[in-house]
Amino acid sequence: QKEVEQNSGPLSVPEGAIASLNCTYSDRVSQSFFWYRQYSGKSPELIMSIYSNGDKEDGRFTAQLNKASQYVSLLIRDSQPSDSATYLCAVNLLGTNAGKSTFGDGTTLTVKP
Amino acid sequence: DTAVSQTPKYLVTQMGNDKSIKCEQNLGHDTMYWYKQDSKKFLKIMFSYNNKELIINETVPNRFSPKSPDKAHLNLHINSLELGDSAVYFCASSQDWGYQPQHFGDGTRLSIL
Repeated sequence: QKEVEQNSGPLSVPEGAIASLNCTYSDRVSQSFFWYRQYSGKSPELIMSIYSNGDKEDGRFTAQLNKASQYVSLLIRDSQPSDSATYLCAVNLLGTNAGKSTFGDGTTLTVKP
Repeated sequence: DTAVSQTPKYLVTQMGNDKSIKCEQNLGHDTMYWYKQDSKKFLKIMFSYNNKELIINETVPNRFSPKSPDKAHLNLHINSLELGDSAVYFCASSQDWGYQPQHFGDGTRLSIL
């Protein structure tokens, strides 16, 4: 089993719809969770961090974390064509590997006008 | 005033050559990283330094040697380049070793002829 798994894409949604991106992780002691967006040919950029169970909202983006189910998701409301990108889930562990982010393979999102 | 800057952006060279990639961050961060992103877009950590001390050294051929002269700089030297080294190499930094997200440089696209 991979340490961090994301729902296989590509994911295509119409403009204005809600895009839902999912991520599961294998290590129960994981403490920090991040969503990065990567446009084609560009570097990853942080869009959301979440550290405790529940929802965290920032504009059109909502991150949801459920540590009991080892699950973190990203919802994008009112999706725009400019949201078309690959979204990477990253998970940080505790202890000696505390600073190491393990990345999922990414989910490519296309928002169609 | 780029936060994490890498040079060069593109590197095209022949098999067997030795090359270096340089990275500098002006964010005052303590921790820096090197990642490799292959053609399938999987982002894999290679090395991490915290305050000039090597703390992550993943399973990477010893042809790859990182060097951190100070906490704002992390360079990557690659000896005897092979075809399989073709990839995009990203430098990143985070505030400290722990739970903080990472800021990525623009990447260096390495192509081996």
